[in-house]
Amino acid sequence: EDQVTQSPEALRLQEGESSSLNCSYTVSGLRGLFWYRQDPGKGPEFLFTLYSAGEEKEKERLKATLTKKESFLHITAPKPEDSATYLCAVYAPGEAAGNKLTFGGGTRVLVKP
Amino acid sequence: NAGVTQTPKFQVLKTGQSMTLQCAQDMNHEYMSWYRQDPGMGLRLIHYSVGAGITDQGEVPNGYNVSRSTTEDFPLRLLSAAPSQTSVYFCASSYSQNSGNTIYFGEGSWLTVV
Repeated sequence: EDQVTQSPEALRLQEGESSSLNCSYTVSGLRGLFWYRQDPGKGPEFLFTLYSAGEEKEKERLKATLTKKESFLHITAPKPEDSATYLCAVYAPGEAAGNKLTFGGGTRVLVKP
Repeated sequence: NAGVTQTPKFQVLKTGQSMTLQCAQDMNHEYMSWYRQDPGMGLRLIHYSVGAGITDQGEVPNGYNVSRSTTEDFPLRLLSAAPSQTSVYFCASSYSQNSGNTIYFGEGSWLTVV
């Protein structure tokens, strides 16, 4: 069974204090790893898709990386508006259809000014 | 630019009542699905559809029913509501089976069963 574990569960940062979120996964033949941002009372908002080990993607202060067992979401010099819950999800073969993702529990990030 | 639209946003039900959560997308996406989100559990797949007329069960399908009569709409029916179905429900859609396609989520429907 596919498993996705995110750590830490919660992260409190001072504005400008860089940090990393971890997403470790156990799947048979990863086809894609997704990162989403979720604000309170809202649906998940797509950030990145990573496909293969060594791949990196960046968007503003966020950078996602992927290895064979885990992915990291690096937040560089965060601002209060980066406060949100960050979700990691994997898509693997054996999922007969698209749109079947296995999600981790999320990391709640709070950036204080 | 509507994207994925869910209604209602909030609903309170009594145990045993039935109701339908509506989901519509205007992006001509083939794939649609329903997830529920519970504290500490992450999002879990309830049902999904690969196209009009085709649906299948996800991880937690019991107590829910779906149909897909059109490409645009994918309603989720609660047959006889139970307190365990108190949750936040998200509808999602994507263009195709290709894992590279972005999956879009609706804003969520907050359901409380008393």
